Amino acid sequence: DVKVTQSSRYLVKRTGEKVFLECVQDMDHENMFWYRQDPGLGLRLIYFSYDVKMKEKGDIPEGYSVSREKKERFSLILESASTNQTSMYLCASSLTSGSHEQYFGPGTRLTVT
Amino acid sequence: GEDVEQSLFLSVREGDSSVINCTYTDSSSTYLYWYKQEPGAGLQLLTYIFSNMDMKQDQRLTVLLNKKDKHLSLRIADTQTGDSAIYFCAESSGQGGKLIFGQGTELSVKP
Repeated sequence: DVKVTQSSRYLVKRTGEKVFLECVQDMDHENMFWYRQDPGLGLRLIYFSYDVKMKEKGDIPEGYSVSREKKERFSLILESASTNQTSMYLCASSLTSGSHEQYFGPGTRLTVT
Repeated sequence: GEDVEQSLFLSVREGDSSVINCTYTDSSSTYLYWYKQEPGAGLQLLTYIFSNMDMKQDQRLTVLLNKKDKHLSLRIADTQTGDSAIYFCAESSGQGGKLIFGQGTELSVKP
């Protein structure tokens, strides 16, 4: 059974703080993704990675960076958190680029005050 | 650019059929997907359809694809309270396994 875990379910941070969101998958998947989910906007892709140390910008990368030092771990970094980054953050992985299914973690609800 | 549109809410009575609709813009999409998100959880793949098909049935789920109108629908027969969730339509963008998601339709099933 594929498992994607995220380091926190809920997180509260202050404006200007550096925030790390961690995601780990246990199925040796090549691709990993970070999305944010906002009501009425659906899921928007922030960054994705198709291999260790490789990263590609998604649709809304501004204000975010990522790190993939090991295949199983994909980190999302908010360099200086702002209130408009308050959102639900979802991590996903897929076996290869041709895979039909992305497997999602439970999400991290981040509040920036 | 690519875009996927869904209505935000649908309310049905238990036992009725639910039909969730989606329109997309990228005619080169190879696959189209339906994902389900239960409260407090991530998304799970429900079903998908290849773009050269016009219908796919899987137990209570029927997917219809009208490629000419770029319209996708998901029909849930005999809807149950456990089907209450947010349903996302998604299309493959062809770039490294990327998916483009719609806004999600929140299905509410009343007993």
